[in-house]
Amino acid sequence: RKEVEQDPGPFNVPEGATVAFNCTYSNSASQSFFWYRQDCRKEPKLLMSVYSSGNEDGRFTAQLNRASQYISLLIRDSKLSDSATYLCAVTEDSGAGSYQLTFGKGTKLSVIP
Amino acid sequence: NAGVTQTPKFRVLKTGQSMTLLCAQDMNHEYMYWYRQDPGMGLRLIHYSVGEGTTAKGEVPDGYNVSRLKKQNFLLGLESAAPSQTSVYFCASSYPPRTGNQPQHFGDGTRLSIL
Repeated sequence: RKEVEQDPGPFNVPEGATVAFNCTYSNSASQSFFWYRQDCRKEPKLLMSVYSSGNEDGRFTAQLNRASQYISLLIRDSKLSDSATYLCAVTEDSGAGSYQLTFGKGTKLSVIP
Repeated sequence: NAGVTQTPKFRVLKTGQSMTLLCAQDMNHEYMYWYRQDPGMGLRLIHYSVGEGTTAKGEVPDGYNVSRLKKQNFLLGLESAAPSQTSVYFCASSYPPRTGNQPQHFGDGTRLSIL
């Protein structure tokens, strides 16, 4: 069974802190990587794709380490509005050209005033 | 731009009843998916479709059927609802994953309770 693992948290951090999440995946043939954000009782929303060279979007930085099979998400200068559950997702070829997106169970972040 | 729309948003059923959840997308996506999300279990894929007229089983297909008669619509059916199917159901759509970084776009969910 293909696995995507995340620390469930919760991560409780003060405003302004820097927080990092890791996500490991078991299938070395995985091809595409994403971070989603899910607010309580809402749908997952794409936060950012993760590219091989790493990428940044404002306070958010995503990195991929293919050798160790993990992706990471760094949030700098945490805001109260960053409180949510963060899901990593990995696309892999499940055979015959059929691609599946497998989600981790999510890491809950609470930013405290 | 509506994106992915799910109906209904909430429903309560009695055990043994049947119902259909509708998903519609206006992004011309080939791929569509149905997930269920339960506490502590994360998102689990029920069925998916790679194009009009085609469907395939995901991780947890038992007790569900699907149909993709039109490209923009993906229907999830429960023929005989069971309490174990109480969950939040999400529909998603995407361009073909083989064409590169193609994220999935989600509807806002259907909360289903089976009594």
